[in-house]
Amino acid sequence: RKEVEQDPGPFNVPEGATVAFNCTYSNSASQSFFWYRQDCRKEPKLLMSVYSSGNEDGRFTAQLNRASQYISLLIRDSKLSDSATYLCVGNVGGTYKYIFGTGTRLKVLA
Amino acid sequence: DVKVTQSSRYLVKRTGEKVFLECVQDMDHENMFWYRQDPGLGLRLIYFSYDVKMKEKGDIPEGYSVSREKKERFSLILESASTNQTSMYLCASSPPGRNIQYFGAGTRLSVL
Repeated sequence: RKEVEQDPGPFNVPEGATVAFNCTYSNSASQSFFWYRQDCRKEPKLLMSVYSSGNEDGRFTAQLNRASQYISLLIRDSKLSDSATYLCVGNVGGTYKYIFGTGTRLKVLA
Repeated sequence: DVKVTQSSRYLVKRTGEKVFLECVQDMDHENMFWYRQDPGLGLRLIYFSYDVKMKEKGDIPEGYSVSREKKERFSLILESASTNQTSMYLCASSPPGRNIQYFGAGTRLSVL
């Protein structure tokens, strides 16, 4: 079982739709979580950190559920420019170890 | 803006060649990383360095070595390239105490 698992997608959604991705993790030592965005043939870039209380950045909302060991990302009012692969990442507390999911591909359609 | 620069975007090498992948960051970060990214496998850590001349093996160090002689530069070395090392290689750096990684644009290596 992978330490961080994501549905690879693709999720094909129309512009303006709301879409949600989940990510599950198995290493309970993972303490910090992040969503990275990776455009085709480009490097990953940090989208947002994920806090237990939930956090929002514009159209993006991230949630962490430690009891069920999953992280979610909600995108409201999808734009064409949101088309990308979204990587879920966990960091094992106090270490350099970052565990990457394989990514969920989103396509926003006109 | 943080800049992480990888010396080559594309490389084609032959089996058995020694290959050097270079990475330079301009933000005086202590921590630097080398990953490879393969379809269906995600990013996997090859090596990590937390200071000059300091290194730690990641999850898949076999067939690779690294060098960090200066803080800004972290090199990945394939001692004798093999076809199963064909991959996208990504370098990253991160400042101490902050859980953010800044990635270079990647080097797509093909070993024939």
